Amino acid sequence: DTEVTQTPKHLVMGMTNKKSLKCEQHMGHRAMYWYKQKAKKPPELMFVYSYEKLSINESVPSRFSPECPNSSLLNLHLHALQPEDSALYLCASSQDRNSGADTQYFGPGTRLTVL
Amino acid sequence: QKEVEQNSGPLSVPEGAIASLNCTYSDRGSQSFFWYRQYSGKSPELIMFIYSNGDKEDGRFTAQLNKASQYVSLLIRDSQPSDSATYLCAADLYGQNFVFGPGTRLSVLP
Repeated sequence: DTEVTQTPKHLVMGMTNKKSLKCEQHMGHRAMYWYKQKAKKPPELMFVYSYEKLSINESVPSRFSPECPNSSLLNLHLHALQPEDSALYLCASSQDRNSGADTQYFGPGTRLTVL
Repeated sequence: QKEVEQNSGPLSVPEGAIASLNCTYSDRGSQSFFWYRQYSGKSPELIMFIYSNGDKEDGRFTAQLNKASQYVSLLIRDSQPSDSATYLCAADLYGQNFVFGPGTRLSVLP
């Protein structure tokens, strides 16, 4: 089973709202990722958690706040977003960032619209 | 700057033909390479990965890696209209960085 789940599928929020995106995997993977993808562009890496510790933060604005409560769950907390933050947010997981050929499996994504 | 380059396309091939998708990468330290397929509005779906020089075949798909030339390709045999999608090449620098190319749009014409 290579399933990564994400909720919600769609989210519309105002610039003053606080919301969270959730991601879950039960494959025993120890690395989890958040990506942002705009239309007709490749996914852009935002954050990487390895063994529940933040290992990469790609200079993402502080209005995006990741959290990894345990090895199966990954959250992305959103606050005071801008309309340009509207995008598809993808979660992925992989077995171990310290192994070779560490394949990432993607969830279905959350389509976020900021009004 | 670690980069992965692909022709953006669209690459159009007739149904039943071989589609050839190419990718180059700048970082010689990259060790593993991945091909993902992405349909419009959907998330990327893994097709294949390769980390040794040479060819790797899986059904209608063949990935080719040439580390000396820093070149990766994906061949799709007997292309079907359902193969029409954007194909993303990605390079992984061992535990450090995972970089996607811009993607190639493939259109398979019935």
